[in-house]
Amino acid sequence: DTAVSQTPKYLVTQMGNDKSIKCEQNLGHDTMYWYKQDSKKFLKIMFSYNNKELIINETVPNRFSPKSPDKAHLNLHINSLELGDSAVYFCASSQAITGAPNYGYTFGSGTRLTVV
Amino acid sequence: KQEVTQIPAALSVPEGENLVLNCSFTDSAIYNLQWFRQDPGKGLTSLLLIQSSQREQTSGRLNASLDKSSGRSTLYIAASQPGDSATYLCAVETSYDKVIFGPGTSLSVIP
Repeated sequence: DTAVSQTPKYLVTQMGNDKSIKCEQNLGHDTMYWYKQDSKKFLKIMFSYNNKELIINETVPNRFSPKSPDKAHLNLHINSLELGDSAVYFCASSQAITGAPNYGYTFGSGTRLTVV
Repeated sequence: KQEVTQIPAALSVPEGENLVLNCSFTDSAIYNLQWFRQDPGKGLTSLLLIQSSQREQTSGRLNASLDKSSGRSTLYIAASQPGDSATYLCAVETSYDKVIFGPGTSLSVIP
């Protein structure tokens, strides 16, 4: 059973399109995250949600909008895609409470987004 | 501002060697440090998690140490195998419930 699953695994789309990446976790974790890994392999946090509530919102263009219908799902919608959005996007979850020590993360397998 | 660095950026060793990967962080105010493995086309796999109150953790051939005061962690891999070839990332959780990743060390174990 996949603990954190993302779909799609690969996404190729044209500039200006709107696309969504879905993430689901079956671990019963309270917190979910979106990370972006750029071409230099740096992983940076974009958003985190705790029980459907937005906790962390890093400096990300407002074209990126996370949506958490329930604590097991955190989807990422991207409007008006740009070439610079090309990257690998990772979803993760943890049994974390804001301000309290984390107990480890579980990552999805990533979504490779290519904007042409 | 917390910064995480990893040395070396790439490492190639013959099978069977013991090796050490290094991770440094600038702010000792961390909750924990975690080592991950990333395989091409796959997600990150958590290897070891060290809480700030701990000094080391062990899992099989892996041993990770943490020295908060000096801002350092090491990942020791014993008797390396070709299957250990991957990118290894360390990440620290800061006081603001954020995880800062290092750039990773790309390891190749030559049969």
